[in-house]
Amino acid sequence: DVKVTQSSRYLVKRTGEKVFLECVQDMDHENMFWYRQDPGLGLRLIYFSYDVKMKEKGDIPEGYSVSREKKERFSLILESASTNQTSMYLCASSPLRLAGDHTDTQYFGPGTRLTVL
Amino acid sequence: QKEVEQDPGPLSVPEGAIVSLNCTYSNSAFQYFMWYRQYSRKGPELLMYTYSSGNKEDGRFTAQVDKSSKYISLFIRDSQPSDSATYLCAMSDANAGKSTFGDGTTLTVKP
Repeated sequence: DVKVTQSSRYLVKRTGEKVFLECVQDMDHENMFWYRQDPGLGLRLIYFSYDVKMKEKGDIPEGYSVSREKKERFSLILESASTNQTSMYLCASSPLRLAGDHTDTQYFGPGTRLTVL
Repeated sequence: QKEVEQDPGPLSVPEGAIVSLNCTYSNSAFQYFMWYRQYSRKGPELLMYTYSSGNKEDGRFTAQVDKSSKYISLFIRDSQPSDSATYLCAMSDANAGKSTFGDGTTLTVKP
């Protein structure tokens, strides 16, 4: 079974703090993603990565950065946390889609509920 | 306008009811269609996928894609309280390795 783990289930931080959210997958997947999920707004893509040291902005990258130094690990960084970054953060991974594949399945971690006070 | 619009819900049905969950989309390049189920305080998990048009059945669940209308549906027969969850549609095109998600529909099945 694919396993995606996130470093914390619950996190409370103060405004202005630097926050690191870590994600590790154990299936040698090429693609990794960071989302935030808010009521009424659904899943919004923050950043994604197709390979080590590669990253691309998603729909809402402002206030966030990412790091992918190893294939299995994708970190989300909040440089200076703000209260509007209080949210559920979900990490996901997926394999490279090959010819003949009929799905684009992503495998999600359990999420980190971040509260910024 | 969002690329993917999902019926917002919430939806509350009695046990045994047939449930229909729906999404529309605007990008005709989408070819891969997925439904995820998310239980409370958990990450989404893939429930079913369909490639291009057509129907796919898996037990009590049927996924349907109508590319001409840009409309996808998930049907749940004989719904159970354990089906209570948020259901997310997702879709992607041939080139992108990322998916576009609907906002989710929260379903409650009452015993």
